[in-house]
Amino acid sequence: GAVVSQHPSWVICKSGTSVKIECRSLDFQATTMFWYRQFPKQSLMLMATSNEGSKATYEQGVEKDKFLINHASLTLSTLTVTSAHPEDSSFYICSARTGTGKNEQFFGPGTRLTVL
Amino acid sequence: GEDVEQSLFLSVREGDSSVINCTYTDSSSTYLYWYKQEPGAGLQLLTYIFSNMDMKQDQRLTVLLNKKDKHLSLRIADTQTGDSAIYFCAEKAQAGTALIFGKGTTLSVSS
Repeated sequence: GAVVSQHPSWVICKSGTSVKIECRSLDFQATTMFWYRQFPKQSLMLMATSNEGSKATYEQGVEKDKFLINHASLTLSTLTVTSAHPEDSSFYICSARTGTGKNEQFFGPGTRLTVL
Repeated sequence: GEDVEQSLFLSVREGDSSVINCTYTDSSSTYLYWYKQEPGAGLQLLTYIFSNMDMKQDQRLTVLLNKKDKHLSLRIADTQTGDSAIYFCAEKAQAGTALIFGKGTTLSVSS
């Protein structure tokens, strides 16, 4: 099946620094990638939808200047958490959609961000 | 807007069947999914069902869809301790849109 990887799998950073998370589709081209955020014991909340070569579409309440998304190629999307604060600590999960067939989404393993 | 509801917790004994239920509100849902999340890990697609089907079976997993009542269930036969995880129900209303997830059902399997 299609594989999506994320890097890093976990990161600890100081408050005020920026952190970049990569999401890669390893064996297929992803026309669309989604970024989700998951708080402990909560569901996944969609943050933004990104299509290759165009600006991301952010969900209501998600600050686009704080969560910068770049989808420069059909296999890579990045999420940069700028000026991170402790309340940004969360599990960030990306998914990638093939754009063919049943448009199934494949999820990455997630990145655990802890901001001190 | 769309909403997906699940019971939060289910406890079963090893060898029993588990049934996890989910309700959704969007009648235009095209696909409905079940994902499994083990502690600290990402999501693993277990199975999915197209909205024009009412049942799908895949080894120990059986998905039942009642489109009239907007009710989806996942039955796990012969539940094992390795099945302990959080199970998310998700719907996709239109082609190209992201998935809408329920809050997840924590399945605890005791031996």
